[in-house]
Amino acid sequence: ETGVTQTPRHLVMGMTNKKSLKCEQHLGHNAMYWYKQSAKKPLELMFVYNFKEQTENNSVPSRFSPECPNSSHLFLHLHTLQPEDSALYLCASSQEAPQRLASYNEQFFGPGTRLTVL
Amino acid sequence: SQKIEQNSEALNIQEGKTATLTCNYTNYSPAYLQWYRQDPGRGPVFLLLIRENEKEKRKERLKVTFDTTLKQSLFHITASQPADSATYLCALDRAGGFKTIFGAGTRLFVKA
Repeated sequence: ETGVTQTPRHLVMGMTNKKSLKCEQHLGHNAMYWYKQSAKKPLELMFVYNFKEQTENNSVPSRFSPECPNSSHLFLHLHTLQPEDSALYLCASSQEAPQRLASYNEQFFGPGTRLTVL
Repeated sequence: SQKIEQNSEALNIQEGKTATLTCNYTNYSPAYLQWYRQDPGRGPVFLLLIRENEKEKRKERLKVTFDTTLKQSLFHITASQPADSATYLCALDRAGGFKTIFGAGTRLFVKA
């Protein structure tokens, strides 16, 4: 058990639907991340939140909208997705997103949400 | 552009042997490098971190080396077991940067 939970574990949605993915971390961390993992491709960083502030948006289309109401919860709101958005969406947390020299960034991942867009 | 390369082909080895996985990178100067394990349908799990000024790091049956001249890290699992079968991901970070860059991973199969 990594201390990071994600719901739902599986989601099938049509291109016109609106849905949300939820992530919760029980580790007392201050940074949270969304990653996309497509088959046989590297994890792609989507968003980073550090102390509830968004610090990274890796050129993600606006049909993905993150929300971080507090340091323990992270949401990813989805609307008008495309079939190519089907992937495993992983949430992670770390003590904080490293900003200082010599700080490092061990990340703890949740189990992911397997998303299928029809 | 920054690039991380891990063997895309699966590595098959016999139980008890040492598995060696490779991570090469280009156009990047990482401050540290991490290795993660990922099982099917699960999120990655952190294994080891090695800093740019460290040549080698060990943890139980795991050993990581980091050669910043060759721009390469090697990940060794000694006395491998079938339970070690998984995908192993290499990840790089710059000093003070938010963005961790992951490789696509190498799938390891350990046969009993």
